Amino acid sequence: DAKTTQPTSMDCAEGRAANLPCNHSTISGNEYVYWYRQIHSQGPQYIIHGLKNNETNEMASLIITEDRKSSTLILPHATLRDTAVYYCIVRVPEWGYGGSQGNLIFGKGTKLSVKP
Amino acid sequence: KAGVTQTPRYLIKTRGQQVTLSCSPISGHRSVSWYQQTPGQGLQFLFEYFSETQRNKGNFPGRFSGRQFSNSRSEMNVSTLELGDSALYLCASSFQQGGGEQYFGPGTRLTVT
Repeated sequence: DAKTTQPTSMDCAEGRAANLPCNHSTISGNEYVYWYRQIHSQGPQYIIHGLKNNETNEMASLIITEDRKSSTLILPHATLRDTAVYYCIVRVPEWGYGGSQGNLIFGKGTKLSVKP
Repeated sequence: KAGVTQTPRYLIKTRGQQVTLSCSPISGHRSVSWYQQTPGQGLQFLFEYFSETQRNKGNFPGRFSGRQFSNSRSEMNVSTLELGDSALYLCASSFQQGGGEQYFGPGTRLTVT
């Protein structure tokens, strides 16, 4: 799986958009970008994933650059409950696409602190 | 739809004992993966089961084993517990084998004394 680089920590004011960057300059053509978050002492939570087009769901938006070497997760209106560690992971979507299957490789992620 | 459930949520064991943890995946999901989380090593992959067969394994000693039943429920077993096995054990389910979209349970907090 390709490696990712994320800032160690970020702050965001409550109600403002939180923009979390991720660099993945060695991403392969068949690898997707996945985002997870982990709120303290809970299991990680899947947020969103994408290949090359921008994606949006009820939780967040994912913007992937045209060259696919970086992406940004956007939480449009951050709340205190969004305080968590956010992980950016690049990998194939399922078995049969090549690469490491089954396991998600979690780096250190970005600790997002949403402040009142 | 019910989420991933894990039992027990907390467990205290003594060195040398063995422990079995249980995971029930989301209905319809056939893949179950197990992870260990510690403050020092972060989240590390243990193994994945799909259709009752282990499909992928992380770099853990043979003391860590698992199995999956025909209803996709999974158990993991740790034998001869060591102090370093104290961790949060998480299971995750997905629809596809090796799926990137995984849904995690709340975890089992194991303390070895």
